[in-house]
Amino acid sequence: DVQLTQSPSSVSASVGDRVTITCRASRDISNWLAWYQQRPGQAPSLLIYPASSLHTGVPSRFSGSGSGTDFTLTISSLQPEDFAVYYCQQTSSFPITFGQGTRLQNK
Amino acid sequence: EVQLVESGGGLVRPGGSLRLSCSASGFTFSTYTMHWVRQTPGKGLEYVSTITNDGTSTLYADSVKGRFTISRDNSKSTLYLQMNNLWTDDSATYFCVKDTRRGHGYNWNFDLWGRGTLVTVSS
Repeated sequence: DVQLTQSPSSVSASVGDRVTITCRASRDISNWLAWYQQRPGQAPSLLIYPASSLHTGVPSRFSGSGSGTDFTLTISSLQPEDFAVYYCQQTSSFPITFGQGTRLQNK
Repeated sequence: EVQLVESGGGLVRPGGSLRLSCSASGFTFSTYTMHWVRQTPGKGLEYVSTITNDGTSTLYADSVKGRFTISRDNSKSTLYLQMNNLWTDDSATYFCVKDTRRGHGYNWNFDLWGRGTLVTVSS
């Protein structure tokens, strides 16, 4: 199975900050990577796939980049509703797998 | 409203069985591949199973293969997960999720999630 390692596991930031989260795959997955946001008490929601395309309705302050084994999710200017846990997911090979999550907390 | 609503979770003893259901509304259920994904605080998000739009193809994670069965009733817009011989490691919140792919096949991107149903396997 493809292992995904996210860093950092947790990050503290303030409204207006720029935040970057990294996801590293254990082997080349091309651009077959998605990002999800999970707010407290809610199910995950799709943000980006594959790698850099925003899902419908996702604000433009979110962006994704990368290919191969290294990927990033960037939030250009944090908003209060962005404090959540973020997961990457690879869809290159079966079974699909998720990263362990990055918790974005209010500083 | 476009939504998925899971039900059927609960407390069960090791070796027991449960049947989860997921009722879909607000979209043409029969058009989309559907999946089950589970989540625990310790292991995070974990893929469980997949069924194509017409029910002709199913897939399972190795951890549940031979114990879980995914099925669907397109006339009722409902997805199911029959879970037999449950282990303590199966304790999790189970999410019903919709694939972005229309028609047969998989994109493996999940654009609609239910709120989840909690399964606890304990003696």
